[in-house]
Amino acid sequence: DTGVSQDPRHKITKRGQNVTFRCDPISEHNRLYWYRQTLGQGPEFLTYFQNEAQLEKSRLLSDRFSAERPKGSFSTLEIQRTEQGDSAMYLCASSFRQDGTGELFFGEGSRLTVL
Amino acid sequence: AQSVSQHNHHVILSEAASLELGCNYSYGGTVNLFWYVQYPGQHLQLLLKYFSGDPLVKGIKGFEAEFIKSKFSFNLRKPSVQWSDTAEYFCAVLSNFGNEKLTFGTGTRLTIIP
Repeated sequence: DTGVSQDPRHKITKRGQNVTFRCDPISEHNRLYWYRQTLGQGPEFLTYFQNEAQLEKSRLLSDRFSAERPKGSFSTLEIQRTEQGDSAMYLCASSFRQDGTGELFFGEGSRLTVL
Repeated sequence: AQSVSQHNHHVILSEAASLELGCNYSYGGTVNLFWYVQYPGQHLQLLLKYFSGDPLVKGIKGFEAEFIKSKFSFNLRKPSVQWSDTAEYFCAVLSNFGNEKLTFGTGTRLTIIP
């Protein structure tokens, strides 16, 4: 499968614990995005990278959230001191900046449940 | 800031009925527009996109959408729905200036009754 892959698919954790999600984009894509989706809502933008540079972070991304893309390939999203309000589906998407359309290719998501 | 409105939260139709899902966006500049679909248990997939040219765009599975710039709309249509079209549909907009990220609407859940 050469699509966007995310790991783990589902994570259950206790409040206050740290969690990390990984995303492997489509190999030739230079842009990588993180979105969050809660029930009944559309995906909400969190942050994105072009190669290894983090170009924008949403105000939704509190200081407990950090994302990296150290070598311009895979990315990690870490949430420290999780809260129940962090429970959501975390979506990763990638795109090829130069294709001009802005189309994003999504992974299947990592569902976080904070107890 | 750009925003997207999808006024139909849940639509229920019988098979073979015609479908139109509304999408309006608020951004005055040049935009690229998208419809994504999320089938139960699956990831978001692109249904169709508009970025230039003919404002009537055809996508997969018989879907089409029309970009009406004067109305800031990009409604999704299908003349005859099937049970397999049951899914959640998201409209999204990308502005070509400033930050290049997709902004999504809240989605429309479509239920097709056999």
